[in-house]
Parts: sequence; C-alpha cells; structure tokens
Amino acid sequence: RKEVEQDPGPFNVPEGATVAFNCTYSNSASQSFFWYRQDCRKEPKLLMSVYSSGNEDGRFTAQLNRASQYISLLIRDSKLSDSATYLCVVNHETYGGSQGNLIFGKGTKLSVKP
Amino acid sequence: NAGVTQTPKFQVLKTGQSMTLQCAQDMNHEYMSWYRQDPGMGLRLIHYSVGAGITDQGEVPNGYNVSRSTTEDFPLRLLSAAPSQTSVYFCASTPLGRAWETQYFGPGTRLLVL
Repeated sequence: RKEVEQDPGPFNVPEGATVAFNCTYSNSASQSFFWYRQDCRKEPKLLMSVYSSGNEDGRFTAQLNRASQYISLLIRDSKLSDSATYLCVVNHETYGGSQGNLIFGKGTKLSVKP
Repeated sequence: NAGVTQTPKFQVLKTGQSMTLQCAQDMNHEYMSWYRQDPGMGLRLIHYSVGAGITDQGEVPNGYNVSRSTTEDFPLRLLSAAPSQTSVYFCASTPLGRAWETQYFGPGTRLLVL
C-alpha cells in the first residue's frame, strides 16, 4: 500500500463549484500534513498546512482526522486560477524532532472551466 | 533572497554520460533534498542532507551521488546516465528541526536521457 494515496483525477468542474479532495496516509507516526499546489511544469508550492483542529484560508479548508488517517481539502467558489494539481504531503518526523522527509501523494489534477 | 536555484533548466544526455545538477539556496537552511518527479509516480526522494558534510539516501538513490561541502550548495551527480533517469528533478530546502514548516522548492531541472 502506498504511503499517501489521493483521489484519482482529473476533476473537471465549472467556475463557482465546490470541490473536495481526499487523501489517506498509512503511517500512523506521521506528524505534519500539508497540501501543496503544483502548476503545470512548475515546482510544488505550499498551499496550506493541515492542523488537527482543521484550518481555513479564504476559500480553502483543510481537515485532518488522525484516527482515520485521513486528510481533506475543500475548495469553495472555484476560480479558473485554481486549475492545478493538488498534492497531499505528510512528514514523518524522526525521533528527537529531527528533520523528517516529505512523502508525496501522486496528486489530483483540477481543471476549472468557465 | 533568490530562494532555491537550480541549473540547468533543461538537459539532454546520451546514455552513459555523466553530469551534475546544481542546487543552491541563500536562506541558510540546514536541510536540503533532491526529488525526482515522473508521470503517475509523484515526487520521490533521492538523497537528502541535514547539514554540511552529512548526506543520506532517500527512496530512490541508485544511480545518483550527492555531497554537501557547504550549507548553500547540494549538487546531484549522475555518474552514468540511463534512460530510466529521464525525469524532472527538484531540489528543496527547509530549516532543520522544523518539520512542520514548508519546504522551498527550486524551479526544477528537466532531464532527457537518450
């Protein structure tokens, strides 16, 4: 089983739609969780970190369920500029708090149409 | 700050040739890493470093060497290129011991091995 699994894409939605991405992770020791955005032929960039209490940034809401090892990203009122690939990422911190390494999901492609 | 820079942007190699992908960061980050991204595979960790003089292997290290003589630079060497190494390579950096923070990615190097 892959460590981080995401919804298969692509998601094709009209402008203004609400779209949800789901992600599961297999390592219960994972400590940090992120959603990255990657535009075509560009590098990944952090969209938002995901906290246990859930967090919101404008039209974007991220949720974490540690018991189910499940992460979600909700995008409301989709814009054309939201078209990109969304990567679910987890970090396994090593013992003592030293740096862990990012484990990436394969990504889900979103295409927002006029 | 320039952030994370990578050179070259594009490279075509013949099988058996060697080359070095350059990565530099000016943010004084201790932790640096190399990923490769292949279609349908997501980003996979090749090698990483937690500071000058310290390197370790990631998920897919075979065929690649790294060194870290300074905090700023983390070159990736392909000793004898193979077509299986055709990929997009991303370098990333982050402060050590702060795994909850984002990693900053360079713009990538697109490598084609014929």
